[in-house]
Amino acid sequence: AQTVTQSQPEMSVQEAETVTLSCTYDTSESNYYLFWYKQPPSRQMILVIRQEAYKQQNATENRFSVNFQKAAKSFSLKISDSQLGDTAMYFCAFMRTQGGSEKLVFGKGTKLTVNP
Amino acid sequence: GAGVSQTPSNKVTEKGKYVELRCDPISGHTALYWYRQSLGQGPEFLIYFQGTGAADDSGLPNDRFFAVRPEGSVSTLKIQRTERGDSAVYLCASSAGTSGGTDTQYFGPGTRLTVL
Repeated sequence: AQTVTQSQPEMSVQEAETVTLSCTYDTSESNYYLFWYKQPPSRQMILVIRQEAYKQQNATENRFSVNFQKAAKSFSLKISDSQLGDTAMYFCAFMRTQGGSEKLVFGKGTKLTVNP
Repeated sequence: GAGVSQTPSNKVTEKGKYVELRCDPISGHTALYWYRQSLGQGPEFLIYFQGTGAADDSGLPNDRFFAVRPEGSVSTLKIQRTERGDSAVYLCASSAGTSGGTDTQYFGPGTRLTVL
């Protein structure tokens, strides 16, 4: 079974600085998808960024980028120019692409606080 | 609709009672998912619908939990004989439903269930 580990329960960063959130996963699949979701206090999960495992190029979305190391099974999220609105729980998630089920497997999350 | 909606937002019930939680997916989305998020944890998969049928119900914890999607749109999660351990936020997500796990899952705001 796939597992996702987020080793940092909480992190904080000063506004305008850069922060990196860690995620590792375990799978025997060769092709899969990885995601970072943001969950603010409103509870609604919002997709931040996604990465297809067969693509070597790291995904980027504005201030958000990932460092995907397939051999190491590592998928970290870098947030540049942090903003107060980035304060939230961040969840790393894995999705297999075989077997007909597109369920997401989530880590336990990292609580990020951006300080003014 | 503009996004996934879930009702009620909050539900308080007594141990042993029956509850129904409703999810209204994004219009046109054929895939629908239910997840459960306990305090301090990431969401855990419960069940996945493709159209009207449950394609994967491997996450349902026991036979007290049941979900339906009779017309391939709105879904209802039903919990019989509720227990205090059922207290959690129940999240619903939908996606376009194309094959290969390429679709992003869009989440609703969740229903917070409290069993007294």
